[in-house]
Amino acid sequence: GAGVSQSPSNKVTEKGKDVELRCDPISGHTALYWYRQSLGQGLEFLIYFQGNSAPDKSGLPSDRFSAERTGGSVSTLTIQRTQQEDSAVYLCASSLEGRLAGLTDTQYFGPGTRLTVL
Amino acid sequence: DAKTTQPTSMDCAEGRAANLPCNHSTISGNEYVYWYRQIHSQGPQYIIHGLKNNETNEMASLIITEDRKSSTLILPHATLRDTAVYYCIVRPHSGSARQLTFGSGTQLTVLP
Repeated sequence: GAGVSQSPSNKVTEKGKDVELRCDPISGHTALYWYRQSLGQGLEFLIYFQGNSAPDKSGLPSDRFSAERTGGSVSTLTIQRTQQEDSAVYLCASSLEGRLAGLTDTQYFGPGTRLTVL
Repeated sequence: DAKTTQPTSMDCAEGRAANLPCNHSTISGNEYVYWYRQIHSQGPQYIIHGLKNNETNEMASLIITEDRKSSTLILPHATLRDTAVYYCIVRPHSGSARQLTFGSGTQLTVLP
């Protein structure tokens, strides 16, 4: 499809295990964002990638969280030693930023990965 | 980002226009108004955005007051599938604050 895709759609893990969440952005989009949404809460920014620039990691809640983006496309969010408070829906968004985007850079979201830590 | 204020909830009859207001009295000159919606258990969906002129697309219309301190999202013929939380966001078109900041939004319920 032409939209942002994420996998898996659901992930159940045990406390202390590591998990990897994947995001495939819209083809050609240079910017990629990770957010998370806890039950009944708003979106919380985690990390932002733009082209070859150093990522903005200011939203990562702890050093157990990390993300990488390979080849300027696919991104993986890794959570090490998961805790119950990590349970949330993890959302990825991409946008076309820079000169080609003009004055705005609309973000398009994927369906999210629902993470449950038991 | 400028703070936005939206009603917590609204109801609308199916087939009627849904008008969702948003106050953004501290909006800056370079900030755009974006609207997203989130249907239960789905990722946020982009609806429309604008700077100072009214905008229309296949989903909705966006009316921005002349002083830009408030705006209204209009769904011209609401359907049951439009039931969702609607978020109004203001965001600069340049600079370092690229992430979206979602507030509480308005829960729109379209009634049959």
